[in-house]
Amino acid sequence: DAGVTQSPTHLIKTRGQQVTLRCSPKSGHDTVSWYQQALGQGPQFIFQYYEEEERQRGNFPDRFSGHQFPNYSSELNVNALLLGDSALYLCASSLEAGTAGANVLTFGAGSRLTVL
Amino acid sequence: GDSVTQMEGPVTLSEEAFLTINCTYTATGYPSLFWYVQYPGEGLQLLLKATKADDKGSNKGFEATYRKETTSFHLEKGSVQVSDSAVYFCALSLKAAGNKLTFGGGTRVLVKP
Repeated sequence: DAGVTQSPTHLIKTRGQQVTLRCSPKSGHDTVSWYQQALGQGPQFIFQYYEEEERQRGNFPDRFSGHQFPNYSSELNVNALLLGDSALYLCASSLEAGTAGANVLTFGAGSRLTVL
Repeated sequence: GDSVTQMEGPVTLSEEAFLTINCTYTATGYPSLFWYVQYPGEGLQLLLKATKADDKGSNKGFEATYRKETTSFHLEKGSVQVSDSAVYFCALSLKAAGNKLTFGGGTRVLVKP
């Protein structure tokens, strides 16, 4: 049973560019959340998707956007990259909120973005 | 807002030593509490969890007890191994907030042989 898979694992961009990160959730999970983990810090919640809609959002600018597809996979897009966007981007999947066990998130290994 | 505070590292121990990592939280509701572990170059793995007061989560020799009166969820292990070297994150989630996780800053643990 595959867990959460993310791609790419590493990428390097320059300031002002745009990036798309991809995530496939664990089998049976329908909710996908994205987190940003800066070096030496704890992950910060970006947003959560369920039924192809953004359900809630953390304190991130509109440059961060996402999408969820009918097969529950998800993308994170970041426009106009800044040096401060360099981080490990983690995708986590879970069951729908309110479902038994929904508070247990399964994380992928992350996509490490470096902005030069 | 909701927040988690955990002791700063790094924590350096010898093999078979006792490990404690302190974690306290502030939450507007009644949270579920978690410890996640991150090994070098990897994502986060759930280590243990507790969903109500006085619950004890345990896994792989690690334990933590949900203490509502002190708003704490300290992580302990009686005898650490070199393989326990990692970064440990305390986190909370609230059902009313869609189960998004709020993390502490992480504690790096280094176990030397």
